[in-house]
Amino acid sequence: GQQVMQIPQYQHVQEGEDFTTYCNSSTTLSNIQWYKQRPGGHPVFLIQLVKSGEVKKQKRLTFQFGEAKKNSSLHITATQTTDVGTYFCAGPKYTDKLIFGTGTRLQVFP
Amino acid sequence: DTGVSQDPRHKITKRGQNVTFRCDPISEHNHLYWYRQTLGQGPEFLTYFQNEAQLEKSRLLSDRFSAERPKGSFSTLEIQRTEQGDSAMYLCASRDRPYNEQFFGPGTRLTVL
Repeated sequence: GQQVMQIPQYQHVQEGEDFTTYCNSSTTLSNIQWYKQRPGGHPVFLIQLVKSGEVKKQKRLTFQFGEAKKNSSLHITATQTTDVGTYFCAGPKYTDKLIFGTGTRLQVFP
Repeated sequence: DTGVSQDPRHKITKRGQNVTFRCDPISEHNHLYWYRQTLGQGPEFLTYFQNEAQLEKSRLLSDRFSAERPKGSFSTLEIQRTEQGDSAMYLCASRDRPYNEQFFGPGTRLTVL
């Protein structure tokens, strides 16, 4: 079945350092979404990418969708303690239900 | 607050008991999803409604699980004869159109003793 893997599983960084998480799907995706889940919270939508090779920026966050639409990345520049949480990518399977990735948990030390 | 709400937020039950959770989606959202999330994992899809019709059900959902959305508004998820392996966070999400962002509720944390 379709699988969505993310690496790394955990990342600890010093505040101000950059962070990147990578998402890889076993199948081609029509689109990919990114969610952030704070500790004890629920997933919150960050962005959706649709086009091959698409790059979108939200302040310090840069999202990229691979040319083959099977991988994606999220890069955070100059992390802050407010960036702490788990970042999930998610892609639709057959219909529009989402298959979530394994997640990358980010810890930022002040 | 017009976000997705879930009730109860926490449920502790003994093995073998039945439990029912409720989800109230954002009012204009026709699409409603249930997910299950265990510690350290991403949400796993359970089932999906468009209005009152249950369009898809995961193989993860055994016959002990049933979900309804009787009037196309709120939804309930019932687990019969709970097992310890059912302990998890049960998340509900809604959206107004397919392929748009999903809005998640705060979840119901179930603990089966």
